Amino acid sequence: RKEVEQDPGPFNVPEGATVAFNCTYSNSASQSFFWYRQDCRKEPKLLMSVYSSGNEDGRFTAQLNRASQYISLLIRDSKLSDSATYLCVAFLAEGGYNKLIFGAGTRLAVHP
Amino acid sequence: DGGITQSPKYLFRKEGQNVTLSCEQNLNHDAMYWYRQDPGQGLRLIYYSQIVNDFQKGDIAEGYSVSREKKESFPLTVTSAQKNPTAFYLCASSIAKTGTEQFFGPGTRLTVL
Repeated sequence: RKEVEQDPGPFNVPEGATVAFNCTYSNSASQSFFWYRQDCRKEPKLLMSVYSSGNEDGRFTAQLNRASQYISLLIRDSKLSDSATYLCVAFLAEGGYNKLIFGAGTRLAVHP
Repeated sequence: DGGITQSPKYLFRKEGQNVTLSCEQNLNHDAMYWYRQDPGQGLRLIYYSQIVNDFQKGDIAEGYSVSREKKESFPLTVTSAQKNPTAFYLCASSIAKTGTEQFFGPGTRLTVL
C-alpha cells in the first residue's frame, strides 16, 4: 500500500466548476500535510499547508480528518490557470530527519 | 533573487556513463534533498543532507552518490550502476530544524540513450 494515495484523475471540469480531490495517508504519525501544485514539466510549488482541522485560502479549501487519515482539497470557481497536477504530501519527523512523503498526484484540466 | 538553481535543464547521456547534476541554493538553507520523479509516481527521495559534510541515503539511493562540501551546493552523480536512470530529477532545500516546507529547483530531465 502506498503511504500517500491519490486518485490520479484526470478531472476534466468546465471553468467555474467546483472540484474536490481526496487523499489518504497510511502513517498515523504524520504530523502535518500539504498540497503542492505541479505544472507540466515544472517543479512542485507549495499551494497550501493543512495543519489542524483545515484551512481556506481564497478559492481553495483544505480539510484534514485525522481519524479517517484523509485529506481533501476543494477548488471553487475553477479557472483555466488551475489546470495542473495537485500533489498531496505528508510530513513526518523520523529519526531526526524531516521527511516529506508525496502522493503521485491528481491531474486537473479546466476547459472553457 | 533567492532560490534554487539546477543545471542543465535537459541532459542526454549514453548508457554506462556517469553524469553529475548540479544543484545550488542561495536561501541559506541547511537541508538539501534530491528526488526523482517518474511518470505516474510520486517524488521519491534519493539522498538528503542536513548539514555540510554530512548526508544520508533516502529510499532509492542505489546507483547514486552525492557530496555536500559547501552549504550552497549539493551535486548528485548518477552512476552506471543505476539501472533505470532516465527520469526527472528535482533538488529541494529547507530550513533544517523547522523545515516542513521544501523549496524546489526547476529540475533536470535526464535521458539515457
